[in-house]
Amino acid sequence: KAGVTQTPRYLIKTRGQQVTLSCSPISGHRSVSWYQQTPGQGLQFLFEYFSETQRNKGNFPGRFSGRQFSNSRSEMNVSTLELGDSALYLCASSLVPGEVGDTQYFGPGTRLTVL
Amino acid sequence: AQSVAQPEDQVNVAEGNPLTVKCTYSVSGNPYLFWYVQYPNRGLQFLLKYITGDNLVKGSYGFEAEFNKSQTSFHLKKPSALVSDSALYFCAVREGGGNKLTFGTGTQLKVEL
Repeated sequence: KAGVTQTPRYLIKTRGQQVTLSCSPISGHRSVSWYQQTPGQGLQFLFEYFSETQRNKGNFPGRFSGRQFSNSRSEMNVSTLELGDSALYLCASSLVPGEVGDTQYFGPGTRLTVL
Repeated sequence: AQSVAQPEDQVNVAEGNPLTVKCTYSVSGNPYLFWYVQYPNRGLQFLLKYITGDNLVKGSYGFEAEFNKSQTSFHLKKPSALVSDSALYFCAVREGGGNKLTFGTGTQLKVEL
């Protein structure tokens, strides 16, 4: 099976712009979660989607949003970019969230640099 | 709220020696614990998990982890380290409900010849 894919792998934007990142889960996985990784804050949970519904959201401002499509693919959007949004954005997929044995598998990430 | 602590920023070990990467956790309910590894410029790779049952969990690439409920610990171990094990290791906890993982700060493992 192909793993989680994320596009693009690298992005350079300037402050004030917006950006959309894409994630395709492992075939058959219906849950997608997003995480932000920075040297200062480490790995932080952004949000989780299942069956096109946001189930959980981390402590991030409203500039961060996401959605999930009927084929389980997900996108996240960051508007009005700030320098502090520079990070590695990781997507993870799993079969059914919350089930005892459910495991999240991560994609390679999108490296976003805000200038 | 759930939390994870990895007390060591870096662990150095000689190739062929056993290695241990420490992790302690705090949750209010049953803990679901995970170890992931990250190589430079890559995403996180799943190593192993503890859900319930045996306290010694075996995972990928010869890694294992020992769950200790009384000490709220979930240390990662390997009997014989390889240079190729050098990477950043993350411990994570998921508490019931949804899929939110709370990660530790990571431990850089360096295996030297």
